[in-house]
Amino acid sequence: KQEVTQIPAALSVPEGENLVLNCSFTDSAIYNLQWFRQDPGKGLTSLLLIQSSQREQTSGRLNASLDKSSGRSTLYIAASQPGDSATYLCAFRGAGSYQLTFGKGTKLSVIP
Amino acid sequence: DVKVTQSSRYLVKRTGEKVFLECVQDMDHENMFWYRQDPGLGLRLIYFSYDVKMKEKGDIPEGYSVSREKKERFSLILESTSTNQTSMYLCASSRQGAIWAGELFFGEGSRLTVL
Repeated sequence: KQEVTQIPAALSVPEGENLVLNCSFTDSAIYNLQWFRQDPGKGLTSLLLIQSSQREQTSGRLNASLDKSSGRSTLYIAASQPGDSATYLCAFRGAGSYQLTFGKGTKLSVIP
Repeated sequence: DVKVTQSSRYLVKRTGEKVFLECVQDMDHENMFWYRQDPGLGLRLIYFSYDVKMKEKGDIPEGYSVSREKKERFSLILESTSTNQTSMYLCASSRQGAIWAGELFFGEGSRLTVL
């Protein structure tokens, strides 16, 4: 069964720092991978979607990359701000599957 | 912007009561999903629908049913609640292309507590 792992489970950084969040998956037959943000008690907000044919996607200060051969995706956040504090989840969709498999998330705290 | 609206943000019910959670999306998406989210277990798919009146079981359908009578509306029904159904329930939708192709958009969630 597909497994999606996000390490670390929690991360604390000072404001202004660039940081990388990691997502690894066990199935190389990927269709796409999506990154989400979740604030406490709220739903998930879509950040970036990377198709299997792409190597990276960018939106503002966020950049997501995909390396299918190593089974990894990274979310790069530039010049972090306190408002970036949230839990970040990645979700893997395998080729031919309707289901997303979610990681358990990385809880990010950006300290002013 | 895509908007997925869940009718109830917070509910408190007693064991055995019926719960009806409604989800409406305004972007004409074909696919709709119901998840539950629990600490330590992450998100788990309960049911999904790829068309009106169509439904498919997810990973944990036991104790739940769904209804999709209109394209924009997908309802989750708990006929007789139990305490282990205390959870955050999240509705999501995506565009068809292939059912697995689309970007997933979530509602704000419904926090259900069963006493």
